[in-house]
Amino acid sequence: DQQVKQNSPSLSVQEGRISILNCDYTNSMFDYFLWYKKYPAEGPTFLISISSIKDKNEDGRFTVFLNKSAKHLSLHIVPSQPGDSAVYFCAASAEGRSQGNLIFGKGTKLSVKP
Amino acid sequence: GAGVSQSPSNKVTEKGKDVELRCDPISGHTALYWYRQRLGQGLEFLIYFQGNSAPDKSGLPSDRFSAERTGESVSTLTIQRTQQEDSAVYLCASSLLGQGISPLHFGNGTRLTVT
Repeated sequence: DQQVKQNSPSLSVQEGRISILNCDYTNSMFDYFLWYKKYPAEGPTFLISISSIKDKNEDGRFTVFLNKSAKHLSLHIVPSQPGDSAVYFCAASAEGRSQGNLIFGKGTKLSVKP
Repeated sequence: GAGVSQSPSNKVTEKGKDVELRCDPISGHTALYWYRQRLGQGLEFLIYFQGNSAPDKSGLPSDRFSAERTGESVSTLTIQRTQQEDSAVYLCASSLLGQGISPLHFGNGTRLTVT
């Protein structure tokens, strides 16, 4: 039973356009969400996060939106660059649970074409 | 200093053999985590160490899996009597505060292939 779902295994966008990566979750106890980016043969690296008390967090070209009522979050990258091509993982954490136990989605592979 | 270091980077072993994977976390990071990623799957939580607290072993898939950590330093993940379904990339991560809201710093992983 997947608690964090990334239903699009891949996404292809043109350089300069917006990339939108989506993530849905089922556990209403989740109160903190993170996005990680992974290049081949490397470990994931932290990108951006959002607390459930917010609905938006922005960092440069990256913005994460949270819709708690829909249990949905999205990562927007604008403008997209070829170097953004990677696998993006959505992750969630619930306060009170084992605080190390982030639940990850399966990832979305983003390809940004020049 | 350096990031999270894992060794070996690749390991091929025969079914039934034991393997030991090593993780050196970032110095000063109190929390250490093991995840694995099987082909086409997301990251699967295995075990979590936080300071001197008892580790959270809730993600270990079977009693063939065990992990140890010496103080706030090196950790080893041991898989006994390996099976083909154990083939995966095993990722170690560390974080400063040991809280879910503190981003994890991952190593590059150990790719384990069980033949």
